[in-house]
Amino acid sequence: GQQLNQSPQSMFIQEGEDVSMNCTSSSIFNTWLWYKQDPGEGPVLLIALYKAGELTSNGRLTAQFGITRKDSFLNISASIPSDVGIYFCAGLGNQGGKLIFGQGTELSVKP
Amino acid sequence: GAGVSQTPSNKVTEKGKYVELRCDPISGHTALYWYRQSLGQGPEFLIYFQGTGAADDSGLPNDRFFAVRPEGSVSTLKIQRTERGDSAVYLCASSTERRGPYNYGYTFGSGTRLTVV
Repeated sequence: GQQLNQSPQSMFIQEGEDVSMNCTSSSIFNTWLWYKQDPGEGPVLLIALYKAGELTSNGRLTAQFGITRKDSFLNISASIPSDVGIYFCAGLGNQGGKLIFGQGTELSVKP
Repeated sequence: GAGVSQTPSNKVTEKGKYVELRCDPISGHTALYWYRQSLGQGPEFLIYFQGTGAADDSGLPNDRFFAVRPEGSVSTLKIQRTERGDSAVYLCASSTERRGPYNYGYTFGSGTRLTVV
């Protein structure tokens, strides 16, 4: 099925470092979302972006909705061990509540 | 309940058997979604209910897959004649908003891990 292009696939960083990941699409989305998934759990919403160009923060997380509505990035500042997990971007179009997800970025943080 | 509940959490079945996966959404959430997540991939949309009716079932891979939500709350995903390729985590989510996850209203359950042997 259709998926967004998310990069990088995985990251290994030192505690305290900043992290950046991004997502691109060939289609326009009206809403971009970023989720985190821990093993054995469902994705948990981190940030939602509703307008092109919007920049939104949630604690150490910052995300932006690209002007073209075809891309988004997520930054995590001053990473800590509990940031470990898989991060997914997701786009919501005009088709009801159907989300299109990226392939995920697996983040590992070394203490 | 406080969150989206999915049962069973794990299901192992033999190829060719029939399985049912259950989702209890957050009380009062009118929209319910099923997704399938294969290993190393993001969730893929299967079907979306608004109330009792399937508003969008375009993600169901074939006619072996069917889902119901007869009273507008609990939903059951049914898979007939299971195949090894059906092995995945099946995620359910619910939302207060008709058009999706506005206002942080889209909450996922922990999923059912289905293994077909």
